[in-house]
Amino acid sequence: EAGVVQSPRYKIIEKKQPVAFWCNPISGHNTLYWYRQNLGQGPELLIRYENEEAVDDSQLPKDRFSAERLKGVDSTLKIQPAELGDSAVYLCASSLLDLFPEGTEAFFGQGTRLTVV
Amino acid sequence: AQTVTQSQPEMSVQEAETVTLSCTYDTSENNYYLFWYKQPPSRQMILVIRQEAYKQQNATENRFSVNFQKAAKSFSLKISDSQLGDTAMYFCAFMKGGYGGATNKLIFGTGTLLAVQP
Repeated sequence: EAGVVQSPRYKIIEKKQPVAFWCNPISGHNTLYWYRQNLGQGPELLIRYENEEAVDDSQLPKDRFSAERLKGVDSTLKIQPAELGDSAVYLCASSLLDLFPEGTEAFFGQGTRLTVV
Repeated sequence: AQTVTQSQPEMSVQEAETVTLSCTYDTSENNYYLFWYKQPPSRQMILVIRQEAYKQQNATENRFSVNFQKAAKSFSLKISDSQLGDTAMYFCAFMKGGYGGATNKLIFGTGTLLAVQP
């Protein structure tokens, strides 16, 4: 079974340009997460979806970041315009929350390394 | 707010030896979960082991085991018989239990880079 798939793996853009990342979660997983990992740090949650609904987007910088998860499957994360400080690894993860969602394991993709120059 | 602290930026161990990675956390919650994730150069986070806070017994997974001290809010990872493939960044993570928007959200420490030497 395929894991969480992300693309692209690497992206280099100039500041003020837009950029988008794509994530395909594990089939059947209803919950999807976007994390940002700065150099030398642990990942930090940007947004969490349950099906199509964003249930936690408190850490998403909404002035320049947007995300969507149409039909509750694939998701895209967009930055417009990008700033130098957005350089990081963007990780997507998915999990299956059912009647007993506590402590559910999240499966991660390989991430997209974004460099803004 | 919950915080996770890993005070060892880097560790080194000889192949076949045992190493312990430290993690402390701060929370006022009583229902929570703790995890150790491994991140090799491929960047993919891989779950190593998890511990439910309500369980007194320490979790074990083959060569990996934890020492969970709930009162001290300590959660260390012990790797026995270290292998070259264990070389990676190791992240300790906290997840609040229960229901609601703040749950199912991993809070990570800053990581420990483990190098296994041949």
